[in-house]
Amino acid sequence: KNEVEQSPQNLTAQEGEFITINCSYSVGISALHWLQQHPGGGIVSLFMLSSGKKKHGRLIATINIQEKHSSLHITASHPRDSAVYICAVRVYGNKLVFGAGTILRVKS
Amino acid sequence: SQTIHQWPATLVQPVGSPLSLECTVEGTSNPNLYWYRQAAGRGLQLLFYSVGIGQISSEVPQNLSASRPQDRQFILSSKKLLLSDSGFYLCAFFDSAFNYGYTFGSGTRLTVV
Repeated sequence: KNEVEQSPQNLTAQEGEFITINCSYSVGISALHWLQQHPGGGIVSLFMLSSGKKKHGRLIATINIQEKHSSLHITASHPRDSAVYICAVRVYGNKLVFGAGTILRVKS
Repeated sequence: SQTIHQWPATLVQPVGSPLSLECTVEGTSNPNLYWYRQAAGRGLQLLFYSVGIGQISSEVPQNLSASRPQDRQFILSSKKLLLSDSGFYLCAFFDSAFNYGYTFGSGTRLTVV
């Protein structure tokens, strides 16, 4: 079993839909990161969470430390949101352990 | 501001040839530096990390090596590439003072032929 599990693996949505990507982890962490990877491969940090909830524009990330679970929500999705979304947990040594990623495609 | 430069962006190398990928960081001092690899169809995996000059920790045994000759320079090398070394290589640094913690390089797509 992977230490970081993401679901779904693939997600297709219509423009305007509310999207949720889930992440569960099984190790002790100091923080959880949500990342976005575009087709060229470059990675952008979206959120760093150690508790509660954060919001940037149409993106919302939540974490439940007791349940070892995090969700990334996208409100009013748009085709430009199409990308791979990666959950990663920060462990000792400030190292990241990554989930396999969720491939999101938003159709217009 | 904190920036990270990684080059080259794309590389095609024959089996058995050497490799050198370079990463430099600006806007921070004494960062934790990391090399990650993403093989085709797979998630990112930590290869090496460094907490200071000359200090390298390896996570995955393989024919790659890393060096940190200067505080803000991190180099990934191989003496002889294997086909299995193909993948997408990312350099990153961690700064606890930075809002998102991590900053990632733009990556190097390596194809070994």
